[in-house]
Amino acid sequence: DAGVTQSPTHLIKTRGQQVTLRCSPKSGHDTVSWYQQALGQGPQFIFQYYEEEERQRGNFPDRFSGHQFPNYSSELNVNALLLGDSALYLCASSLGDNPSYEQYFGPGTRLTVT
Amino acid sequence: RKEVEQDPGPFNVPEGATVAFNCTYSNSASQSFFWYRQDCRKEPKLLMSVYSSGNEDGRFTAQLNRASQYISLLIRDSKLSDSATYLCVVNIRTGNTPLVFGKGTRLSVIA
Repeated sequence: DAGVTQSPTHLIKTRGQQVTLRCSPKSGHDTVSWYQQALGQGPQFIFQYYEEEERQRGNFPDRFSGHQFPNYSSELNVNALLLGDSALYLCASSLGDNPSYEQYFGPGTRLTVT
Repeated sequence: RKEVEQDPGPFNVPEGATVAFNCTYSNSASQSFFWYRQDCRKEPKLLMSVYSSGNEDGRFTAQLNRASQYISLLIRDSKLSDSATYLCVVNIRTGNTPLVFGKGTRLSVIA
């Protein structure tokens, strides 16, 4: 039973560039949530995808966008990168109609913006 | 006021000690509560859910006080392997809604 996978593991970009991060949910899960975790902080919710639509969004600018594919995998795109976007980006998957709402996290992608 | 607040620590305790963490949340409508554990440079992992009646899992005990809006985690007989950051997590509504994390409390268990 494959868990949540994310790629790439690490990424270095320069200011102004664009980046795409990828996530495959745990087998059987259909909902993907993305979180940003800055150093020394708890994860902050970016947005959630279910049935290929963005269902909920946290307090992040439009530079952050995403997509969910028919196989439930998801991408997070960040445009016009800022130094402050440097963080660990976590993907969490869950089952959309499961009231226990336990979310399983992937290992994350560590993004460094220089 | 932050939605979920925790003492960042660090808590440095000797092996075998008992240590307790508290967490407060601001939204009285919060429905679900959890403790996650995060090892250095790793993803958070669910340690335990927190129920109104309190719950215990081995050396770990979690309690919820809705009237005072705080959650606690007690670790007995601390092990070196308990060293990690413990994240207090709240879910505001029922259903599949995003989790709200505290900043975490860092625990170091020393031999």
